[in-house]
Amino acid sequence: NAGVTQTPKFQVLKTGQSMTLQCAQDMNHNSMYWYRQDPGMGLRLIYYSASEGTTDKGEVPNGYNVSRLNKREFSLRLESAAPSQTSVYFCASSGGVSPDTQYFGPGTRLTVL
Amino acid sequence: QQPVQSPQAVILREGEDAVINCSSSKALYSVHWYRQKHGEAPVFLMILLKGGEQKGHDKISASFNEKKQQSSLYLTASQLSYSGTYFCGTSAWDSNYQLIWGAGTKLIIKP
Repeated sequence: NAGVTQTPKFQVLKTGQSMTLQCAQDMNHNSMYWYRQDPGMGLRLIYYSASEGTTDKGEVPNGYNVSRLNKREFSLRLESAAPSQTSVYFCASSGGVSPDTQYFGPGTRLTVL
Repeated sequence: QQPVQSPQAVILREGEDAVINCSSSKALYSVHWYRQKHGEAPVFLMILLKGGEQKGHDKISASFNEKKQQSSLYLTASQLSYSGTYFCGTSAWDSNYQLIWGAGTKLIIKP
């Protein structure tokens, strides 16, 4: 039982490049989330998916797109990376829509030059 | 609107107590507490769902004052393993239950 897994763990991009961050959970959870964490600012919600087939914008969605591929997988895409997107990205899942307990993946550390 | 956590940082000796506060300007439905160690993912501690509810987890407990729109996390007889950054996440009645997170309180425990 791996919980929530994320790939890659580290990534360096040049401005304008694109990439997809992958997230998968094996807990049969309905809801999945993408957060970014910047120093001194806590976690900010980018997008979430309350159930398979649905996605909604969070607090900071600009510059990102998501896909809920199936119940297990939720990917985050940066179409044209910018230095302001340098951050640590966490994927999380929960059994239902908040306020259920959220379980976090190990994070992806992204640097955009 | 982001909840306000206080203090921003605290340094304790092993065995001392600490209180971390989380205040919101919105009427809250729930408060979640997590701990994050450096370079790791946040780990769930507890959820408080009802006004006035108190929960305990070993020597870590929390209270939720719905009227004051705030929660407090109590760490008793702190251990070295308690070091890390503590975050509160709040959900409001009008926010579709999305969690809004505080900026965190860094706790350093010295032997």
